[in-house]
Amino acid sequence: NAGVTQTPKFQVLKTGQSMTLQCAQDMNHNSMYWYRQDPGMGLRLIYYSASEGTTDKGEVPNGYNVSRLNKREFSLRLESAAPSQTSVYFCASRPLASYEQYFGPGTRLTVT
Amino acid sequence: DQQVKQNSPSLSVQEGRISILNCDYTNSMFDYFLWYKKYPAEGPTFLISISSIKDKNEDGRFTVFLNKSAKHLSLHIVPSQPGDSAVYFCAASRVGTYKYIFGTGTRLKVLA
Repeated sequence: NAGVTQTPKFQVLKTGQSMTLQCAQDMNHNSMYWYRQDPGMGLRLIYYSASEGTTDKGEVPNGYNVSRLNKREFSLRLESAAPSQTSVYFCASRPLASYEQYFGPGTRLTVT
Repeated sequence: DQQVKQNSPSLSVQEGRISILNCDYTNSMFDYFLWYKKYPAEGPTFLISISSIKDKNEDGRFTVFLNKSAKHLSLHIVPSQPGDSAVYFCAASRVGTYKYIFGTGTRLKVLA
C-alpha cells in the first residue's frame, strides 16, 4: 500500500508555462482533494472531488483546473503559471465512512 | 475572513510537560473537528478528531477538548516528547459536506 502518491516532488516553471500535478491513491477512497500550503496561511482547499465523476471548487480555485480521471487519480492543472502559484501542493483522499483525510508527501512548485 | 484560527504561531515546552495547542472557529455550522501533525517535507498526518456531540476525545497521550459555546477547541499532549515537535493544524468541517477549513498551524517544539 503506497497510500497517496504525488508526482513530481519538485518543479520549477517559468511564468506562463503550464503543467499538471498528478495524484493517485490505492486505498479505494471515494473523495480526493487538492490543497496549497503557503507560509502563514495554513492549508487552503483548491478543488475537491466528493466522488468519481464530480468536482467542486474550494476556497482558492482561480488559475487551476482539475480532472478526476477515475477513482484512483485526481490531477491538478495550471494552464498559465503565475508567481503567486509558488507553493507546496498537497493531495489528500478520504474514505466514505470517515472524516479523516490521508495526505500525500507534497509537490513543491516554484514559478519564476 | 479566517473561519478557523490558531493564534499562537509557535510554542515551546519541556519534555515530559503538557503541551496545549488552541484553535478558535467562527462558523457555528462546523460540527466536526480534526487535528493534524506535520513534519517538514512531509504531508500532514491525522492525529485525533472530535464531533460536536462530544466535549472530549482521548487517544493515548492526546486529548482534544471542545467548548461549543466559546467556539474553541484545544489539543493536550501529555507527556510531551521530543518526537512531538512538529506543526499542528486544526481543521473544521460540517457533517455531510466534503470541505474542510484549516487553521494556520502552531509550531510545537519539545525541548529535551
